[in-house]
Amino acid sequence: AIHMTQSPSSLSASVGDRVTITCRASQGIRNDLGWYQQKPGKAPKLLIYGASSLQSGVPSRFSGSGSGTDFTLTISSLQPEDFATYYCLQDYNLWTFGQGTKVEIK
Amino acid sequence: EVQLVQSGAEVKKPGESLKISCKGSGYSFTTHWIAWVRQMPGKGLEWMGVIYPGDSNVKYSPSFQGQVTISADESINTAYLQWSSLKASDTAMYYCARRGVVGTILEYFDYWGQGTLVTVSS
Repeated sequence: AIHMTQSPSSLSASVGDRVTITCRASQGIRNDLGWYQQKPGKAPKLLIYGASSLQSGVPSRFSGSGSGTDFTLTISSLQPEDFATYYCLQDYNLWTFGQGTKVEIK
Repeated sequence: EVQLVQSGAEVKKPGESLKISCKGSGYSFTTHWIAWVRQMPGKGLEWMGVIYPGDSNVKYSPSFQGQVTISADESINTAYLQWSSLKASDTAMYYCARRGVVGTILEYFDYWGQGTLVTVSS
């Protein structure tokens, strides 16, 4: 089974900050990776697919990069509505989520 | 409009059986995989398994194989997740999610149900 290691597990940031979250796969997964945002009490929402493609309707301050084993989600300028938990999901061989990154207000 | 509507919250005792549902609408139910995802209290997301309603092909995560059963009834556009004997450790929120085309050709879990909270307590 493919294991996904996501870091950090949590971070504190201010509105306007640039935020970077990383995900590492235990083996190469090409670019078969998605990023999801989950707010408390809500279902996850797809932000990025194919490692770097922005899902329709998602603000352009979100971006993704990477291929193979190392991936990054970047929020260029953190907004109040972005405080949430973010998960990566590998889509290469069955599916595995990363452990999640909680983005909190500093 | 694509919608996945899940059945309501459940409170059960250990050892009891349970079947929760996820009804799809606004798209071709039989041609899209449906996944089940567990979220234990205060914890992360765990992929449990998927079903293709058109032929009932099911794939389970090794962590959940033998612990749950995933099924679907295409005549009523509904997928199911069931337990034959619940444990306290099954207490969690359970989400269903549709695998759909995003962009032009890639498929990802793009629409999600609202979640079903299952509480197992004596």
